[in-house]
Amino acid sequence: SQTIHQWPATLVQPVGSPLSLECTVEGTSNPNLYWYRQAAGRGLQLLFYSVGIGQISSEVPQNLSASRPQDRQFILSSKKLLLSDSGFYLCAWRADSSYNEQFFGPGTRLTVL
Amino acid sequence: DAKTTQPPSMDCAEGRAANLPCNHSTISGNEYVYWYRQIHSQGPQYIIHGLKNNETNEMASLIITEDRKSSTLILPHATLRDTAVYYCIVRDRYGQNFVFGPGTRLSVLP
Repeated sequence: SQTIHQWPATLVQPVGSPLSLECTVEGTSNPNLYWYRQAAGRGLQLLFYSVGIGQISSEVPQNLSASRPQDRQFILSSKKLLLSDSGFYLCAWRADSSYNEQFFGPGTRLTVL
Repeated sequence: DAKTTQPPSMDCAEGRAANLPCNHSTISGNEYVYWYRQIHSQGPQYIIHGLKNNETNEMASLIITEDRKSSTLILPHATLRDTAVYYCIVRDRYGQNFVFGPGTRLSVLP
């Protein structure tokens, strides 16, 4: 069966510090991968998605970036965090097919102080 | 992708059926209706999806009106663990983006 992992589960970082969040998927090949952010009490906002290694599409311009160095690994990064980067970051995967649903990881709660 | 409208909150008694409505009056012919739920501080959980026929799985039933402009998610016997925010999403089968609105906060009461 497929599983999706995210780490760390929680993170507290000072403003201006770098960020690296990792997501890995097991039990599937060539998945579509997604990064979402959820601000407190709000819906999910799609940040990036990837249909293959090295292929990244950005939905919202900001100081975050994403990379996909391996088929089942998706990384969210920032060189300098802002206060507004605080939120709940969710990684999701979808089988490489047309109408399949997305499956979400457990999320990382980031607090920027 | 079509926009959806859901009530912000609903209550349901434990053991009773929870019926969560969703309006998607601008849905187009190739757009599917998906339902997810999110329990506090967890990632969203897929529940069910459908195109035009009613669907049922071990978690819930999805009833889509004949004109496809609205749908209802039914949890047949709600438990306290079903307390969550429920999201109705309409998406083109080729689209990448699942647009999550504010959803419906369902409270199952003992």
